[in-house]
Amino acid sequence: DTGVSQDPRHKITKRGQNVTFRCDPISEHNRLYWYRQTLGQGPEFLTYFQNEAQLEKSRLLSDRFSAERPKGSFSTLEIQRTEQGDSAMYLCASSHWTRSRGQYFGPGTRLTVT
Amino acid sequence: ELKVEQNPLFLSMQEGKNYTIYCNYSTTSDRLYWYRQDPGKSLESLFVLLSNGAVKQEGRLMASLDTKARLSTLHITAAVHDLSATYFCAVPKIIFGKGTRLHILP
Repeated sequence: DTGVSQDPRHKITKRGQNVTFRCDPISEHNRLYWYRQTLGQGPEFLTYFQNEAQLEKSRLLSDRFSAERPKGSFSTLEIQRTEQGDSAMYLCASSHWTRSRGQYFGPGTRLTVT
Repeated sequence: ELKVEQNPLFLSMQEGKNYTIYCNYSTTSDRLYWYRQDPGKSLESLFVLLSNGAVKQEGRLMASLDTKARLSTLHITAAVHDLSATYFCAVPKIIFGKGTRLHILP
């Protein structure tokens, strides 16, 4: 199965540290999305790429967050100077450009900031 | 501001009963997505509704879309325990509702 994969699955870090997450989408999908989800809430959109271009970024995303998709394949999400409020599940999803079958989500990376 | 509202947010129902979850959204959209999420797991795509009047069915779940009313419904027929999960609707621009936590009682 070549579904969406994310690494790491869990990350515990101390406040103020930087963390980086990786997402590998389904190979033929050219759209890639990052979301954040906290307990009891729906996924909150962070940013999305079409191929290597970052087409949209949430206004809620602070300057501490940055995402890249350098070759239009895998993507990384970096959080600098983490805060306790950054603790959440970070979900990556990919889709074909037609979006005809919705998004395929990865298993997520659970971040805990202590 | 684009909003997606689901109703109810929590639903506890008996096995064998029917019920409907509603999803209202605040802007025009030609498509709507439904997802399922089990506790501690990621999201699974259930339905993609691509046009006004679209209806899709999978097992005991049926989803419909009324783009004029900006309303989608997810109907559960003769609920079984395996359907217990949280269900999300979402529209482009990639905005999710808060989810409906469905609990099926034996």
